[in-house]
Amino acid sequence: ETGVTQSPTHLIKTRGQQVTLRCSSQSGHNTVSWYQQALGQGPQFIFQYYREEENGRGNFPPRFSGLQFPNYSSELNVNALELDDSALYLCASSAPGAGDTQYFGPGTRLTVL
Amino acid sequence: GESVGLHLPTLSVQEGDNSIINCAYSNSASDYFIWYKQESGKGPQFIIDIRSNMDKRQGQRVTVLLNKTVKHLSLQIAATQPGDSAVYFCAENSDGGYQKVTFGIGTKLQVIP
Repeated sequence: ETGVTQSPTHLIKTRGQQVTLRCSSQSGHNTVSWYQQALGQGPQFIFQYYREEENGRGNFPPRFSGLQFPNYSSELNVNALELDDSALYLCASSAPGAGDTQYFGPGTRLTVL
Repeated sequence: GESVGLHLPTLSVQEGDNSIINCAYSNSASDYFIWYKQESGKGPQFIIDIRSNMDKRQGQRVTVLLNKTVKHLSLQIAATQPGDSAVYFCAENSDGGYQKVTFGIGTKLQVIP
C-alpha cells in the first residue's frame, strides 16, 4: 500500500453531470498528479498540483479542473460529463523535486451513462 | 511528440522462468524511467526506476536495463511467480518544470503455473 487514498471507489454518472473525485496524498508528499486511464490503455496525465497551484497540464479540456488544499489533499472536478470520460481516475503523490517517484492510489472508477 | 511504447502486448511465461519485458521510448531528453506493475482493479505500483546516467539497476528479483543509444528499456524478472501476473508499464518522467509521467500502453504478463 502506498498511503495514497482516493474516494469514492466507484461512481456512476449520466452525461452532462458534474463529478468531484478526491485524493489524500502520502504523508510528506506535497505534489499531487491526476491521471485518466481508459480501459486497456496506460494512464494519461491530466494535471499536477504543487503548493495549491496547478503547475503542469496534459492534453485535457478546461472542463477538467482541480484543487489542492493546504494539507496537500486534492480534488479533480469534471464538468459536462461525456461518455468518453468513463475511465479509472488515478491520483499520484510525490515529494518535491524532478524525478521523484510518484506513488499511485487505487483509483476511482467512473462510469458515464 | 514524446511517447513511450512497448514491443509486446502480452507475454506468457512458465512459473520459475525469467521474464523480460521490453520498452522503447522516443524522447531522447528523458532523464528518468520507471517501471510500474498494475494488477487488476488497482493503481500502478512502483517496481524500480533508473536515471539516464545509469545503464543497469537491480532490485529484489528485478533488473532494469537502459540503452540510451537505441532508446530502449527492459525489465527482467527472475524466477517469475504467479503473483507477478499483471500489466507492466514503462514510464518516462522528464523535468519540464513539473513531474509528468508518460506511460506506454503496457505489457500483460501471464505466468503459467
